[in-house]
Amino acid sequence: DAGVIQSPRHEVTEMGQEVTLRCKPISGHDYLFWYRQTMMRGLELLIYFNNNVPIDDSGMPEDRFSAKMPNASFSTLKIQPSEPRDSAVYFCASSRWDPWTSGNTIYFGEGSWLTVV
Amino acid sequence: KNQVEQSPQSLIILEGKNCTLQCNYTVSPFSNLRWYKQDTGRGPVSLTIMTFSENTKSNGRYTATLDADTKQSSLHITASQLSDSASYICVVSSGHNNDMRFGAGTRLTVKP
Repeated sequence: DAGVIQSPRHEVTEMGQEVTLRCKPISGHDYLFWYRQTMMRGLELLIYFNNNVPIDDSGMPEDRFSAKMPNASFSTLKIQPSEPRDSAVYFCASSRWDPWTSGNTIYFGEGSWLTVV
Repeated sequence: KNQVEQSPQSLIILEGKNCTLQCNYTVSPFSNLRWYKQDTGRGPVSLTIMTFSENTKSNGRYTATLDADTKQSSLHITASQLSDSASYICVVSSGHNNDMRFGAGTRLTVKP
């Protein structure tokens, strides 16, 4: 199994530019999560999908952030316009069933390291 | 206030030594507790998942314990190796949708 695949691995962009992060979850997993990790705040859940449907986006910082999951094998996280405070590592993760009650493993991708200058 | 507190914040040990990392939580109700290992520049990797009825679970040189009464968990690493150098993150779920609280992690450095 290839695991959760994210792209790009690293991106440096100028403030105001649009950033699109991509994720391919593990085949057969029906939960997909987007997390952000910073030194100050640790890992934070931004949004999660179940069967391609966004369930909870309360962690999305503001309207500049949007996420989509057009099919079971692909999701995007978009930031438009980007700001320096968005600099962080963005992780995509997937799980076969709900991880809260089932105790199923959540598998993380290697992350997308975003720097906004 | 974070409902998952990890200690110590950082730890340096010599190769071959044992160490114990702590995780105290106030998340309630409790569903499960996970320990993740995150190497520098990589994504977190699951080490163990413990449910309410489990007291101890081992994964190679890693042994996790859970005391649901005192709401404490520990991760014991035996005969540490250089490759154990990483951040170890404790994550607690309440069983409610989306309620998963992350600790800030313990940064472990194993020196030769």
